[in-house]
Amino acid sequence: QVQLQESGPGLVKPSETLSLSCTVSGGSVSSDNYYWSWIRQTPGKGPEWIGYIYHSGSTNYNPSLKSRVTMSLDTSKNQFSLTMRSMTAADTAIYYCAHGDSYGGNEGAFDIWGHGTMVTVSS
Amino acid sequence: DIQMTQSPSTLSASVGDRVTITCRASQSVHTWLAWYQQKPGKAPNLLIYKASSLESGVPSRFSGSGSGTDFTLTISGLQPDDFATYYCQHYSSYHTWTFGQGTKVEIK
Repeated sequence: QVQLQESGPGLVKPSETLSLSCTVSGGSVSSDNYYWSWIRQTPGKGPEWIGYIYHSGSTNYNPSLKSRVTMSLDTSKNQFSLTMRSMTAADTAIYYCAHGDSYGGNEGAFDIWGHGTMVTVSS
Repeated sequence: DIQMTQSPSTLSASVGDRVTITCRASQSVHTWLAWYQQKPGKAPNLLIYKASSLESGVPSRFSGSGSGTDFTLTISGLQPDDFATYYCQHYSSYHTWTFGQGTKVEIK
């Protein structure tokens, strides 16, 4: 069973760059059918999808964040990562990494989530 | 962009009640619709995918229906563990995902 664990700084200064990693256990980040995403959520609001990366390394991002976001795979560490530039207070949220299976019956959904990591943007 | 609108925002119900939550898409999403349950301090948990398929391990009192623009999540016989917030989520073939704003199910 795939498990996910987010890691990264809990506090980022305005205008700086956020870097988060998601370590995958119980499966390979480069498995043919898996896709991976970052999703964030502020208290009292619905989740917001940030971006997606496929096992091949192809990506797609939320148009509202696309200019500031990059995702990548690190197969040697069995991780995928998120880089978000020019952070502002509006980016303060819980950041989750999530898994989906494009060949599984539940394609299009996220069946496994990390516990989430709180990121605060403040000077 | 497709928008997902849930109703109601909050729902008060009692144990044993039949509860229905609605999700409406701004344009047809066929059956690319999932439902999640989220409890405070926890990540969302997948309940239903492709509008009406029950995720493995999810109790059968949860069911989903709909296609196109209108979808429902029904809980038949609300249990104490079901008081939580529920989200719908659309998946686009262009590899984008959109969530609804949530429906909180509270104890009456």
